[in-house]
Amino acid sequence: AQSVTQLGSHVSVSEGALVLLRCNYSSSVPPYLFWYVQYPNQGLQLLLKYTSAATLVKGINGFEAEFKKSETSFHLTKPSAHMSDAAEYFCAVNPSGTYKYIFGTGTRLKVLA
Amino acid sequence: DTGVSQDPRHKITKRGQNVTFRCDPISEHNRLYWYRQTLGQGPEFLTYFQNEAQLEKSRLLSDRFSAERPKGSFSTLEIQRTEQGDSAMYLCASTPEGITGELFFGEGSRLTVL
Repeated sequence: AQSVTQLGSHVSVSEGALVLLRCNYSSSVPPYLFWYVQYPNQGLQLLLKYTSAATLVKGINGFEAEFKKSETSFHLTKPSAHMSDAAEYFCAVNPSGTYKYIFGTGTRLKVLA
Repeated sequence: DTGVSQDPRHKITKRGQNVTFRCDPISEHNRLYWYRQTLGQGPEFLTYFQNEAQLEKSRLLSDRFSAERPKGSFSTLEIQRTEQGDSAMYLCASTPEGITGELFFGEGSRLTVL
């Protein structure tokens, strides 16, 4: 079955430091990939998505992710963390040919002052 | 507000009672999804609709769960004879046609079963 794995359920970074949240997918065919963010007591909001166009995808709030087929990865990065980035981040896959979106278990990002 | 809306936002019930959640998707979106999210976990797929047709159901959706989308507009998710294990956030999302579309989520309905 198609799935995504997010390494690290909690990540802490200092304000201004690089943010790196990891996501690996399992798929025999490159799927569509997404990163969502969830702030407390809110629904999930799309950060960015990969749909087989450019492998480096830019999203909102300065986030970007790179699709690496050889590594089956879609890691999320931001050059400089801001306090407002503290939230939970979910990687999701939409296996090619289906309408089903499968989410990872999430990574909670904490930004230290 | 033209986003996905869910009602109620919070529901506390006693074990054995029935509960129903409603989701109003974005009006032009013909696909609607229900997910369940428990603490520390990602959203788990429950079911989805294409217009009024329920096209896929997860094995997580036991026979105590039923979802409908009459007329392809709003959707309801009913849980009968609730159990403490049903306590979770129930998320609704919608998306327009197209396999690469993003899901637009509501703020969720939190269920607590005592």
